[in-house]
This record gives sequence, structure tokens and C-alpha cells, in this order.
Amino acid sequence: EPEVTQTPSHQVTQMGQEVILRCVPISNHLYFYWYRQILGQKVEFLVSFYNNEISEKSEIFDDQFSVERPDGSNFTLKIRSTKLEDSAMYFCASRPTGPGELFFGEGSRLTVL
Amino acid sequence: GQNIDQPTEMTATEGAIVQINCTYQTSGFNGLFWYQQHAGEAPTFLSYNVLDGLEEKGRFSSFLSRSKGYSYLLLKELQMKDSASYLCAVMDSNYQLIWGAGTKLIIKP
Repeated sequence: EPEVTQTPSHQVTQMGQEVILRCVPISNHLYFYWYRQILGQKVEFLVSFYNNEISEKSEIFDDQFSVERPDGSNFTLKIRSTKLEDSAMYFCASRPTGPGELFFGEGSRLTVL
Repeated sequence: GQNIDQPTEMTATEGAIVQINCTYQTSGFNGLFWYQQHAGEAPTFLSYNVLDGLEEKGRFSSFLSRSKGYSYLLLKELQMKDSASYLCAVMDSNYQLIWGAGTKLIIKP
């Protein structure tokens, strides 16, 4: 069964460093998402991506964050100048056209020290 | 504003039945989802309701009333492995998922 894959599963970084989280969505899906979940808190929407551009972003998704689809398969989230409060699980998700289930990756746990 | 409400925590006994409620107010409606999330793991899909009524899938059932902005997830024959958080989410008119804070379900022997 096709699945969304994310790498790395866990990354530890120093405050102020840049981090790139990678996702490979399901191949025939058209909509891609990044979500964040701080430990013990609710899932928070960061950004959605369609047709090679951002379709919507939340207040959290400020200039510190960027997304790219560099090669038609990978979907990356870059976090510049990481802060302690960026420590969280970051989930990538994708879906085909129309309403319906979002398929989630296993998540990337980011720890900022 | 957009809002999803569900209880913070519930406790139930192994073998019993539990109902987790969710009420919502969103800008438009393109379906309601229930996801299960074990600690430290990604949410896993349980159900999707877009029309009123009950959808049954094995031990899990989900109900939707669009006029009342209300859904519930019913879990039967509870097993210890059902201990998890259950997330209610609504897809709005922009096809964005609005998430509830989740209900932590504790199963006791």
C-alpha cells in the first residue's frame, strides 16, 4: 500500500541552526501539507501546497519557514534559525483531489537544544 | 471563528463501549474525520463522514449530524490497545483540516 515517507525520523539540532525535513508524498496525490504537534498539544496546521505553490499558510508559518518541491517527488520543510520552541513532531500529509482522507507520514521529531 | 470541541479525557473499562463526542463550528463543511493517535506516533485514519448518519467499521462507528454540528465516535468491545488520543477534525470550505485538541482515552482492565 502506498504511504507517505518522512526523513529523518528524529533530528537534534542546536538553537540557531537550519533544519530541512523531507517528505515523499504518495505519487498520485496533488495536495501536500505540513503539520506540527508540540508534545502534549494539538495538531497545528502549518502550510498546504498545491500545483507547486503554497495554497494556504497559518500564522505559525512565518519567514522562518519555507517549503519546496525541488524535484517533483520530495516535499521539504526548511526551518531557519531554529528556536527552542520549534521542538515538536512535524507531520507531512498528502491527499488526492477532492475532499477525503489525509494520509500522514510517520513524522519527524525535531529537538532543538 | 472555527472551533472543534471534544472532551479532554475519558476513562473506560476493557470490553465495554465508549462514545466520544465532537461538536464543531467551521467555515463550510467538506467532511468530518476521526483519527487515532498513540503517543509519539502519527495520527492514523479511522473514519470519514460527509453525510448524516452512522458509518460502521468493525468495532468502530462514527455518527454525523450536520444540522447540529455534532459527531461521535463509538468504540465497542474495548481493548487495552485502544488506549490513545482520538482526534476529531473537520475539513472546511478551503479543504483545510481544522483539528480538535483530541480526547485521551484511558482503558482500565
